[in-house]
Amino acid sequence: DTAVSQTPKYLVTQMGNDKSIKCEQNLGHDTMYWYKQDSKKFLKIMFSYNNKELIINETVPNRFSPKSPDKAHLNLHINSLELGDSAVYFCASSQPSGLSYEQYFGPGTRLTVT
Amino acid sequence: KQEVTQIPAALSVPEGENLVLNCSFTDSAIYNLQWFRQDPGKGLTSLLLIQSSQREQTSGRLNASLDKSSGRSTLYIAASQPGDSATYLCAVIGWNYGQNFVFGPGTRLSVLP
Repeated sequence: DTAVSQTPKYLVTQMGNDKSIKCEQNLGHDTMYWYKQDSKKFLKIMFSYNNKELIINETVPNRFSPKSPDKAHLNLHINSLELGDSAVYFCASSQPSGLSYEQYFGPGTRLTVT
Repeated sequence: KQEVTQIPAALSVPEGENLVLNCSFTDSAIYNLQWFRQDPGKGLTSLLLIQSSQREQTSGRLNASLDKSSGRSTLYIAASQPGDSATYLCAVIGWNYGQNFVFGPGTRLSVLP
């Protein structure tokens, strides 16, 4: 059973299009995240949701909009795609256990904008 | 603001060597530190999690230590194998910056047969 899943795995699209990436976790976690990993492999947080509420929105263009229909899902919608949006996008989830937080990652979605 | 660095950026060793990867963080107010492995084109796999009250954790040939006061963690890999080749990332989470993990840039490890 996959703990954190993402679809699609690969996404190739043209500049100016709108696309969505879906994420689901079956771990019962309250907090979900979206990360972007650029060509230099640096992993940077984009959004953090706790129990369907946005708690962190890092310096991300407003073309990116997360949507959390329920605690187990956090989708990422991107409007007017640009070349610089090409990257691997990872979804993750975590849950506190005492004073400890362990994070679980999805397999990633490789977005290529042409 | 929490900043995480990892040294070295890349490492190439012959099979069988023991090796140490380093992770440093600037804000010692952390809940825990987590080490991950990322294979090319793949997601992140959790290796070890060290709580702030712990000094080390072990899993098989891996041993991770934590010195919170100095803002350092090391990942020790014993008897390295070609299958250990991957990028290793450390991440910390603390109460001064919400429930968010801050990642280091990673160490790219190549173990040569």
